[in-house]
Amino acid sequence: QVQLQESGPGLVKPSETLSLTCAVSGYSISSGYYWGWIRQPPGKGLDWIGSIYHSGTTYYNPSLKSRVTISVDTSKNQFSLKLSSVTAADTAVYYCARRGMVRGDIKGFDYWGQGTLVIVSS
Amino acid sequence: DIVMTQSPDSLAVSLGERATINCKSSQTVLYSSHNKNYLAWYQQKPGQPPKLLIYWASIRESGVPDRFSGSGSGTDFTLTISSLQAEDVAVYYCQQYYSTPYSFGQGTKLEIK
Repeated sequence: QVQLQESGPGLVKPSETLSLTCAVSGYSISSGYYWGWIRQPPGKGLDWIGSIYHSGTTYYNPSLKSRVTISVDTSKNQFSLKLSSVTAADTAVYYCARRGMVRGDIKGFDYWGQGTLVIVSS
Repeated sequence: DIVMTQSPDSLAVSLGERATINCKSSQTVLYSSHNKNYLAWYQQKPGQPPKLLIYWASIRESGVPDRFSGSGSGTDFTLTISSLQAEDVAVYYCQQYYSTPYSFGQGTKLEIK
C-alpha cells in the first residue's frame, strides 16, 4: 500500500522559506510516476503547486514558479518542497500526492498524504 | 490556464435521493489522440485529504461505490450520486489534468436536507 507523509515546520516567519518533505513508503519513487504538491488555504479550495518525476523533471504552477523549488531524493525515497519569500497568503494545508497512471495514461492524484498545516506568521 | 467552474457551490439533498454536481472547463480537456477526458472528481471530508473518486471523467477508482458516476465530455461534466448516503456528506472537487497548471474547481459542499 502506497503511503505518503508530509513533514516540516508548522510555523514560518514572513519573508522566510517554507520547507517540507514528503516521505513515500510502499513504492519506490525511482520506479516511476510524477509526485506533486497541492495546497489548501483554510476553508478554501485546492491549488496545484507543482510536480516532479524521479529523473528530476519538474512542472510548476506559473503563479508560484519564481518562488518554488521541488526536488527528489531517490536514495531516501522522498521529495521536497521549498517556497521562498512567504507571506500570510501562503498559510495553508500542504499535501503531497502521487499522480496516478493506468495503462500508461494519467488518471489524477490517487494517493495523498494527510496534509500538514503551515502558518506564516511572525 | 484552464479554469474549472463548479455548480452549485452548495447542495442539500435528502437521504436516498439523487445528487448532481456540474463542472465546466474553460477549454476542452478531451485528449483526442487518447480519446479520454482528463477530468477527475474528488471527495474531501473534514480533516481529510481529497480522495480520488472518478478519473477520465467516468471511470470509478477502485473501491468507490457504484452509486457514484461521472459523465460528460469536452468542457461539460457531471458527478452524480444516485442515492445519497449519510457518509457522502463532503466537499466535491473536479480537476483537470489535461495541461499544467493542473486546476481544480472551487468545490461543491454536499449536505443532507
